[in-house]
Amino acid sequence: QKEVEQNSGPLSVPEGAIASLNCTYSDRGSQSFFWYRQYSGKSPELIMFIYSNGDKEDGRFTAQLNKASQYVSLLIRDSQPSDSATYLCAVRVRFGNEKLTFGTGTRLTIIP
Amino acid sequence: DAGVIQSPRHEVTEMGQEVTLRCKPISGHNSLFWYRQTMMRGLELLIYFNNNVPIDDSGMPEDRFSAKMPNASFSTLKIQPSEPRDSAVYFCASHSGTGGGLTEAFFGQGTRLTVV
Repeated sequence: QKEVEQNSGPLSVPEGAIASLNCTYSDRGSQSFFWYRQYSGKSPELIMFIYSNGDKEDGRFTAQLNKASQYVSLLIRDSQPSDSATYLCAVRVRFGNEKLTFGTGTRLTIIP
Repeated sequence: DAGVIQSPRHEVTEMGQEVTLRCKPISGHNSLFWYRQTMMRGLELLIYFNNNVPIDDSGMPEDRFSAKMPNASFSTLKIQPSEPRDSAVYFCASHSGTGGGLTEAFFGQGTRLTVV
């Protein structure tokens, strides 16, 4: 089992709709979780992180964490064409250990 | 700050040649990571350093790969000899290592390596 798994997509969502991206992880002791966005030919950039169960909102983005189910998701509301990118889920196993493990990413396309 | 700086941006080399990739982390950051990205395997962690010391090199694929961090402002990833299957984008990332594991890793622009 991979440490961090994502549906590779592609995921197509109409402009203005909600895009839902999912990620599962294998290490139950994982402590912090990150969502990165990567445009084609560019480097990953952080969108947001979460470490407590529940929801965390930042503008149009909401991260959701369920440690019991080992599941983290990212919701993008009012999707815009500029949101079209690959979204990478990353997991840091424990505080003090800086190792950051990435999933393979989900390619998202927003259809105008 | 100029961010994480990698060089070269593109490298094309022949199989069997030595390749050296370079990285300058953000000043003040004490953790540095080398990742490799391919379509098939995604973003794989090769090695990471903390305070210039290699902490986890379990992702280094084989002995042909080596990495060094002689000081806080410079790191190299060397492949010797290179093979076509090493073709990928190699990213260097750094972060400050404080904040209880909640600090983000900043990525360089990457080096696109093609081995022919």
